[in-house]
Amino acid sequence: QKEVEQNSGPLSVPEGAIASLNCTYSDRGSQSFFWYRQYSGKSPELIMFIYSNGDKEDGRFTAQLNKASQYVSLLIRDSQPSDSATYLCAVNFGNEKLTFGTGTRLTIIP
Amino acid sequence: DTAVSQTPKYLVTQMGNDKSIKCEQNLGHDTMYWYKQDSKKFLKIMFSYNNKELIINETVPNRFSPKSPDKAHLNLHINSLELGDSAVYFCASSRGLMRETQYFGPGTRLLVL
Repeated sequence: QKEVEQNSGPLSVPEGAIASLNCTYSDRGSQSFFWYRQYSGKSPELIMFIYSNGDKEDGRFTAQLNKASQYVSLLIRDSQPSDSATYLCAVNFGNEKLTFGTGTRLTIIP
Repeated sequence: DTAVSQTPKYLVTQMGNDKSIKCEQNLGHDTMYWYKQDSKKFLKIMFSYNNKELIINETVPNRFSPKSPDKAHLNLHINSLELGDSAVYFCASSRGLMRETQYFGPGTRLLVL
């Protein structure tokens, strides 16, 4: 059973600080990795995807992938109250579907 | 200019009824999906279609039957609704199957009484 694990939180971070969200997965053959943000009562929306080991930056967001250790993380710099949401990690294990983690609820404290 | 749309947005019905949810995407994508998100926010794939062909059929009761009349539409019909079917159902689409970003519809909130 291929799995994606996240700490459910809640994770509370002061405004302006760095929020760090982590995700581990079970299969070394995994191919692609996604971070989605979901506001309460809304649908998931893509934040970033990453395919290769290392860091990928997009504005205040950085995704970090370490395939040897089987984890992917999302850093949010200069956290804003509008970043408060549930963050879903999703992994394509090469089996034509995305497997989602249970999500981490992030709260940015003004 | 909605990319992935679903109807209805809310659905409240009695146990034992049959209901359908419709999904349409105007992104020109080849692949469409149905997900179920339970009360604990766990998002789990149910079905996926690629060019109207069923690709993924997870362990879902056969009361759930997807239908794709064309690659822009993927509907979900549910027979004999049960209390445990209460959830949010999301439709999604992507350009292809592997490594492709999935775009989600707004969700259909189903409540079975």
